Amino acid sequence: NAGVTQTPKFQVLKTGQSMTLQCAQDMNHNSMYWYRQDPGMGLRLIYYSASEGTTDKGEVPNGYNVSRLNKREFSLRLESAAPSQTSVYFCASRPQTGSSSYNSPLHFGNGTRLTVT
Amino acid sequence: QKEVEQDPGPLSVPEGAIVSLNCTYSNSAFQYFMWYRQYSRKGPELLMYTYSSGNKEDGRFTAQVDKSSKYISLFIRDSQPSDSATYLCATLLYNQGGKLIFGQGTELSVKP
Repeated sequence: NAGVTQTPKFQVLKTGQSMTLQCAQDMNHNSMYWYRQDPGMGLRLIYYSASEGTTDKGEVPNGYNVSRLNKREFSLRLESAAPSQTSVYFCASRPQTGSSSYNSPLHFGNGTRLTVT
Repeated sequence: QKEVEQDPGPLSVPEGAIVSLNCTYSNSAFQYFMWYRQYSRKGPELLMYTYSSGNKEDGRFTAQVDKSSKYISLFIRDSQPSDSATYLCATLLYNQGGKLIFGQGTELSVKP
């Protein structure tokens, strides 16, 4: 059971290039999330998808787009990368939203380390 | 001001020490509190979860919540080198679709 799988693990982009970060989970979870992690800032939510077919903005959505391709997959796209987007990106999932899910943990992938030069 | 503030560390302690990790939060509506542990080059994983004020114990780990002062703590007894990691506190609102708000994280190093 792989859990949450993120690809690629590492990426270097030049300013202005575009790329898509891929995330897939095999736990049949309804909700999926994209976070970025920067030194001194902790984890900040970029976008999330409470269920298949829905997406919502998080704390820092500017410069990003997302697609919930199906229940398993949730991708994050940088249309025109900027040095400020240099970060470690984490995808996460959890079984469902609603009151019964609040004690169920987020399951994280191992991150994509992105450098924009 | 961030909604959840965490002592940034880094924190270095000798093996066997008692470790205290702390966070404060600003919104009294926060209801659920978690501690995540993150090893180097890995994603965070849930360590402990609590809802109410008071203490919750799990082996060498104790999570403490004081809602009156908006303060959450994690205590590690008999710390081990394998406890060396970054510890992140997190909280969420009941009606916010399960979104977690994280503190900045505290990097802990336990020296043998």
